[in-house]
Amino acid sequence: EDKVVQSPLSLVVHEGDTVTLNCSYEVTNFRSLLWYKQEKKAPTFLFMLTSSGIEKKSGRLSSILDKKELFSILNITATQTGDSAVYLCAVLYNTDKLIFGTGTRLQVFP
Amino acid sequence: GAGVSQSPSNKVTEKGKDVELRCDPISGHTALYWYRQSLGQGLEFLIYFQGNSAPDKSGLPSDRFSAERTGGSVSTLTIQRTQQEDSAVYLCASHKTVGSPLHFGNGTRLTVT
Repeated sequence: EDKVVQSPLSLVVHEGDTVTLNCSYEVTNFRSLLWYKQEKKAPTFLFMLTSSGIEKKSGRLSSILDKKELFSILNITATQTGDSAVYLCAVLYNTDKLIFGTGTRLQVFP
Repeated sequence: GAGVSQSPSNKVTEKGKDVELRCDPISGHTALYWYRQSLGQGLEFLIYFQGNSAPDKSGLPSDRFSAERTGGSVSTLTIQRTQQEDSAVYLCASHKTVGSPLHFGNGTRLTVT
C-alpha cells in the first residue's frame, strides 16, 4: 500500500529552538516530495524535492531528500511563534497522484 | 480569479440530505484534486482530474461520493445521503503541469447533524 508517514505527530518548542520534522514514504514510481505549511485553511507550498542530497533552503527553513532511504526532513532554525502550524509532507508518484501524510503539528511558545 | 475558489465555505446539513461542493480552479490549470481533511488528520485523497483523461476515483470512500469536472474547469463534488462521518473540510487543489506544486483553495467545512 502506498503511504506517507510523518513524525512526530506533535511538537511543542520555545522560540529560538531548532526543530526537525520527518517524512518517510513507500510508493511506486516516486516522482517528487513536497512540503506544505497549513495554518488555518489552505496549505501553502514550501518545497518540492526531486533529487537526493540537494538541500532546498528558504530563510530559516530547509529540507533535504534521501531517495535511497526513502525519507525527507524539514528543518526550522530559530523558531518563531509564527512558525506554529501543521506541516504536511506529500509524495507525487505514478503519473500524477499526490498523497499526504497526517502532518506534524508544531507549536512554538514565546 | 487569482487563486482556487471553493464554495460554500461552510455547509451544515442534516443527515440523509445530499450536498454539492464547488471548486473553481486557477485558470489554465489542467489538473484538479479533491481531498478530505477530518479534524486533526492529514489530507485524504478523494479524486483527481487531469485534462480530458478519465478521473482517478480510487480515493472515493463510498458510492455516495461522486465528482464531475465540466469543460475542464469547474468541479463539483457531490455527497448523497450524507452521514455524520462525512463531516470534514473538503479541500480542492489545482496545478498547471504534471509535477508542479498544488495550489489549494480554502476548503468547504461540511457539518452533518
